[in-house]
Amino acid sequence: EDQVTQSPEALRLQEGESSSLNCSYTVSGLRGLFWYRQDPGKGPEFLFTLYSAGEEKEKERLKATLTKKESFLHITAPKPEDSATYLCAVLYNFNKFYFGSGTKLNVKP
Amino acid sequence: DGGITQSPKYLFRKEGQNVTLSCEQNLNHDAMYWYRQDPGQGLRLIYYSQIVNDFQKGDIAEGYSVSREKKESFPLTVTSAQKNPTAFYLCASSIYRESEKLFFGSGTQLSVL
Repeated sequence: EDQVTQSPEALRLQEGESSSLNCSYTVSGLRGLFWYRQDPGKGPEFLFTLYSAGEEKEKERLKATLTKKESFLHITAPKPEDSATYLCAVLYNFNKFYFGSGTKLNVKP
Repeated sequence: DGGITQSPKYLFRKEGQNVTLSCEQNLNHDAMYWYRQDPGQGLRLIYYSQIVNDFQKGDIAEGYSVSREKKESFPLTVTSAQKNPTAFYLCASSIYRESEKLFFGSGTQLSVL
């Protein structure tokens, strides 16, 4: 069965402590992998799209990478304002996505 | 500024009552979507519409209905047939083209009284 799994469910970091979030997928025919950031009580906000294995995208302290089976969101020297839930979504058909359940990141000062 | 506006922010439903969630966008996007978000689960697709006057069921359409009479508007009605409606509802839009990112509204939290 096609699915998207994110790990860990929750991650607590000290400010400046780098780490990575994982998104593994078993969806066949990947058409794109998307990362979103969601703050409490708000809608997700787009971060990155990756289309093929080996592709990388960067934005400030965030870097997303993609392999044939998983994607990583690397957070370098995080700050408290990076605290949020990070969602991964896989596009498997025209305008249809499988969403992971997210990783809740908490960065302590 | 362009964006998606959802209202109300919070909504309470009584037993046997139908309620309607509003979603308006000024991004000139063709496609619009409704997702349901429950704690610990990924977003699940309720309905989507690719053009005006046309819409399709998503994975969990039972107990919900939609309309798309205008490009800018895609309201969702949660009917009394939806027995577990408590959730965070998200409206989204995208350009009608493959591999396009979704733009989300700020969500409506629906609770049962």
